[in-house]
Formats: sequence, structure tokens, C-alpha cells
Amino acid sequence: DTAVSQTPKYLVTQMGNDKSIKCEQNLGHDTMYWYKQDSKKFLKIMFSYNNKELIINETVPNRFSPKSPDKAHLNLHINSLELGDSAVYFCASSFGTGNRGNEKLFFGSGTQLSVL
Amino acid sequence: AQSVTQLDSHVSVSEGTPVLLRCNYSSSYSPSLFWYVQHPNKGLQLLLKYTSAATLVKGINGFEAEFKKSETSFHLTKPSAHMSDAAEYFCVVRNTGFQKLVFGTGTRLLVSP
Repeated sequence: DTAVSQTPKYLVTQMGNDKSIKCEQNLGHDTMYWYKQDSKKFLKIMFSYNNKELIINETVPNRFSPKSPDKAHLNLHINSLELGDSAVYFCASSFGTGNRGNEKLFFGSGTQLSVL
Repeated sequence: AQSVTQLDSHVSVSEGTPVLLRCNYSSSYSPSLFWYVQHPNKGLQLLLKYTSAATLVKGINGFEAEFKKSETSFHLTKPSAHMSDAAEYFCVVRNTGFQKLVFGTGTRLLVSP
């Protein structure tokens, strides 16, 4: 019954590795997001997809590559992990975008990434 | 540019006493404003939102917020705190016509018995 589910919940890995985080929503939403929350709880958007189309792409290193195979899924692949990538990554979804949509975002419970 | 400033990183109250979490916004346009709550090890949940209708907005769990344009504020209040209110609260702004939500740095609410 989980509305927005992301896996894994915890991810511990070495510098230089490549890892993926998966996200799925069963709410029928057409827009999905990736947010990064740093150690000071600051939450910043990374990417947003609407109907599998990239609509927000913030200043994020190109080591981060989102992929949306369909509008219910948005995965995040990270190449050559660095220490500074350690954070909690949240997936979210909503109906529509901006003025045309509903800003009520539904968040997953987060993936805590620790890069050693 | 749009931004929000949450004036307190931590707020401590006793159970049963009022809660005030402060937020000031900066926006060149008519903003939409939100409060989200994050309980430990959970994702964020929308508490309430203001989108240029009534200036006093009621949300879930007894919270409400008042939009004051003259003060550029959108403070979150609750008359009586409950232990379950202990969480991190985020004030969020979005300018009309823009797609991006901008989050504040958060205020941790601590509730003691």
C-alpha cells in the first residue's frame, strides 16, 4: 500500500563505485522528483520528470543520471561516487507541475547514502 | 529570486503549550507557500498550503498558518502541542508560473512532557 516507495533504504558504498536508487509510485501521478537532503537537513531539488520527460534539471554533476522508464518509475544512477554525495535522497511525486498541477508532493521515506 | 528563511533552527515547547514556527519569504511575484513536516526516518508530508485565497490557512493535525504580505511572513502555529508533533518542519515557496519548490532549512520542534 506504500504510495511512493524507494529502494534501498540504506546504501553504504566505497568512493568510486556506481550505484542506483529506484523509485516507484502507485498513485497515478504524472510527475516525479528527486531531492537531496544534506546533513543539515537542507532539501534541494535535483530532477523532475513529467510523463517521462525531464522538466527540471538543477545544477547537478553529470555523474547523476535519472531515468524514467514510465511515469510510475524514476530511478537515479550515480557514477563514480564521491564523499560529498553522502546524503539522504528523497523521491517524490505529484499530479501535474507548477501552475498546471497540484503542489502536494508525496514523498518516499528516503534512501540514506553513505560514501566511505 | 524566491527564497524562504526559517528563523529558528530549533524550537522547544512543553506539551499542551502553543507552537510558533517562524517563516519569512522573499518573492518577486505572488507566491504560493507551504508547510511540510518530516517525522524521523520518514518522507515529508504536506501540512497546509496558501495559494492567494484566504490568508489564514488551516492544515492537518490542528496546525494553521497566516499569510501576511506586509510582513512577508507565513508563520505556522498550533494552540496546543502534542508529543507526536515533534518533527522537522519546512517552509516552502513557489512563485506563480514557476515549477520549482524552494525549501527552507527547516525548524526542529521538540516537545517535552
